[in-house]
Amino acid sequence: AQKITQTQPGMFVQEKEAVTLDCTYDTSDPSYGLFWYKQPSSGEMIFLIYQGSYDQQNATEGRYSLNFQKARKSANLVISASQLGDSAMYFCAMREGIKGSSNTGKLIFGQGTTLQVKP
Amino acid sequence: GAVVSQHPSWVICKSGTSVKIECRSLDFQATTMFWYRQFPKQSLMLMATSNEGSKATYEQGVEKDKFLINHASLTLSTLTVTSAHPEDSSFYICSARDNNLFLGDLGNEKLFFGSGTQLSVL
Repeated sequence: AQKITQTQPGMFVQEKEAVTLDCTYDTSDPSYGLFWYKQPSSGEMIFLIYQGSYDQQNATEGRYSLNFQKARKSANLVISASQLGDSAMYFCAMREGIKGSSNTGKLIFGQGTTLQVKP
Repeated sequence: GAVVSQHPSWVICKSGTSVKIECRSLDFQATTMFWYRQFPKQSLMLMATSNEGSKATYEQGVEKDKFLINHASLTLSTLTVTSAHPEDSSFYICSARDNNLFLGDLGNEKLFFGSGTQLSVL
């Protein structure tokens, strides 16, 4: 079963507007972490933001915020005031078993969403 | 901040040859590294977990004899694609776990990614 699902293969946004990239996940582990990464055409993976399953507040990092809805198992990324340099592929990822002995440390990635920012 | 160096950035080889890709943690010790494979515009698929001083743990469907992983030191893991064929052409990327840096919780160590290797097999 797919553990991380990103249903938007591609998205367009106008420069300076906000955009939401969707991510839903599936796990029975009570202790997990959710990550968002940006991958520009150069291929490097750039860490954007992290949300722990026990965190009470939604994570924010500059123009990035994570809309964490635990009951719905969704962890959408919101990018405010989009810039041309935000054009890239974005991946949602999950790590399970953070507080348990089953913690392997590995990240499982979603399919990715390609974001294009229009001038 | 922590840096992971991956080398080479790109390699072109003939079918049947073997290719070695290196992943180095430059300023921290990484007992665990991960190897991913990525086709164009697709997700990163975990191939294996590389453990320093022990055998790698491969994900289901990944041929361990095809993709040899060696993690001989705390700062270096290598992935060797043996007898490469055109279908092995892909982007390979490693990540290393820094045991001393955490995201929020203990047990949630920070991961740092290499810049990736584009392999093209002719």
